[in-house]
Amino acid sequence: QKEVEQDPGPLSVPEGAIVSLNCTYSNSAFQYFMWYRQYSRKGPELLMYTYSSGNKEDGRFTAQVDKSSKYISLFIRDSQPSDSATYLCAMSVNTNAGKSTFGDGTTLTVKP
Amino acid sequence: DTGVSQDPRHKITKRGQNVTFRCDPISEHNRLYWYRQTLGQGPEFLTYFQNEAQLEKSRLLSDRFSAERPKGSFSTLEIQRTEQGDSAMYLCASSYGQTYGYTFGSGTRLTVV
Repeated sequence: QKEVEQDPGPLSVPEGAIVSLNCTYSNSAFQYFMWYRQYSRKGPELLMYTYSSGNKEDGRFTAQVDKSSKYISLFIRDSQPSDSATYLCAMSVNTNAGKSTFGDGTTLTVKP
Repeated sequence: DTGVSQDPRHKITKRGQNVTFRCDPISEHNRLYWYRQTLGQGPEFLTYFQNEAQLEKSRLLSDRFSAERPKGSFSTLEIQRTEQGDSAMYLCASSYGQTYGYTFGSGTRLTVV
């Protein structure tokens, strides 16, 4: 079993919909949680990061972490066709650890 | 600053050949990471450097793989005696100090035939 499991998708929604992307993890030592967006044939791009449990909002994006359930989510409000991409969750034990452990990604398509 | 640069973008090689990839990080970033990503999978950690010191290597990094970062600037990843299972996207990323997350390059896509 992988340390980080991500809903595989693919996910297809109409423009303007609210999107929920989710990951679960098994390593309780993870404290730092990131979401990356990856367009086809490109490297991942950091979208958001959170430390420990709680919510963080940035524009149309909200990241949520529930350490008690080992569950993290990314919500996208008012989704746009330009949001169509693969979304990767990633986690690390601490910022000095170097290594991040990634989920396998959820591919999202937002239809106009 | 043009971001993290990787060269080449694509490499096709015959099984058994050696290949070398180069990564130029963002100039002020002291940490540099190598990841491997296969189709439909998330990036898998290979190794990382802080300045010129290689601080961690994944057990995925067999003895056919070697990475260097001379003088703490650019880095190279060499794969010796390539196998078909080495076909993947090799991603380089960099960061500065105790920051969250990385800046990734666009990757080098390796195809072993």
